[in-house]
This record gives sequence, C-alpha cells and structure tokens, in this order.
Amino acid sequence: GAGVSQSPSNKVTEKGKDVELRCDPISGHTALYWYRQRLGQGLEFLIYFQGNSAPDKSGLPSDRFSAERTGESVSTLTIQRTQQEDSAVYLCASSPYQRRETQYFGPGTRLLVL
Amino acid sequence: SQQGEEDPQALSIQEGENATMNCSYKTSINNLQWYRQNSGRGLVHLILIRSNEREKHSGRLRVTLDTSKKSSSLLITASRAADTASYFCATDPSGSARQLTFGSGTQLTVLP
Repeated sequence: GAGVSQSPSNKVTEKGKDVELRCDPISGHTALYWYRQRLGQGLEFLIYFQGNSAPDKSGLPSDRFSAERTGESVSTLTIQRTQQEDSAVYLCASSPYQRRETQYFGPGTRLLVL
Repeated sequence: SQQGEEDPQALSIQEGENATMNCSYKTSINNLQWYRQNSGRGLVHLILIRSNEREKHSGRLRVTLDTSKKSSSLLITASRAADTASYFCATDPSGSARQLTFGSGTQLTVLP
C-alpha cells in the first residue's frame, strides 16, 4: 500500500518568508508525528497528533512553528518568518493506534532558507 | 540532551564483514528501536526490542539490550554494500508512544 508522502520534496526560500510543508499519512493511521533533522544529526521531535486528542506541541522550538491536522488525514507544518537555522529536513511519520510503537516515515522535505 | 547516543559516529568496513553499532541511553525505557536512513531521507524501522527482552534477531540483524547498563547493540552480519546508511537507535521513555527520542546515528559505509 501507499506509504507516508510529503510535499514538497525540496523547498528553497528566503529568510523572513513563510513556508508550509505537507504530510499525507498512511490511511488509517491515527498517530502523526513531525520531526526535524539538521545536517548530520539525529531527529528532533516537534509535534504529535493522535486522533481527535489535543496535540502534543512540546517539541516546537518557537512560536514561529505551528502544525495542523484535519481529522486523521493530512497535516501541514507551517514555519513563519523563516530563519537560516530552520534549514533542515522535516520528516513526518505515522503509526496505527494498535501498534503505535513503530513509526512509518515519509521521505522528508528538505528546507533551505537563504 | 539526546536520550540515545550511538557509537561509533562512523564505521567503515569491507563487504562480508560484520558491523556492530552501540547505543546508550539515560532513562528507563519501555522499548528501544533501531532505524535505518539512506541519504538523509526517510527512516525505515528495522527492529524493536522490549525492555524485558535481552536479544532479538531479524534476518542478518541481531539486537541486544542490557537495561542494567542502559545500552543496546545492533549487529549486521555478512554486510553488503547496500547496507551503507545511517543507523539510529530510538527510545520511548514514557512508553506512551507519543514521541521517540533519537540518537545522532552511526554512519556505516560498506566497501565493495
């Protein structure tokens, strides 16, 4: 079946602009996660959605970052007034409620802020 | 600070040799997972070991877990050039599956 998809694959933007990243989870997966990965580093947790529960936003680095999810489908991660330090790969993952220990990752969006 | 830290940061071996990567973590865990990442893109889940397990196998992969030392190892036997990738350990400290905490990874290069 289809895996997690993310768009765009690559995004180049100018400092100060807003960007919106999209994630389509695997159909039926109730949990959705966003991570950030800077060059040569591990993944940093950003935000977690589980069904209709309030999201866990504890990993968002600043109020310039926000994310939304419509029901159990698409999620968008928005970065306002981008800074050069926002340059990274943004990875989305989803997992089914019954086996939510294992996360299934999308290919990521590589963001470059000039 | 990172919950999981992999060691070594980079490893280069010849095809056919075994590769061993280690992971240390700080807090109690419910389970520990290993993921693989090619070319800085999406991660692929390899194996999950629970806190009450000591060893687990999957194909050419062997994972051990020592909760007393808060460490885990991933062994890839008879490595292939296609195994070249970054390998990350990830822990779920809360056991709630709300998030995983990843280490900084081991970059494995398998030379043909």
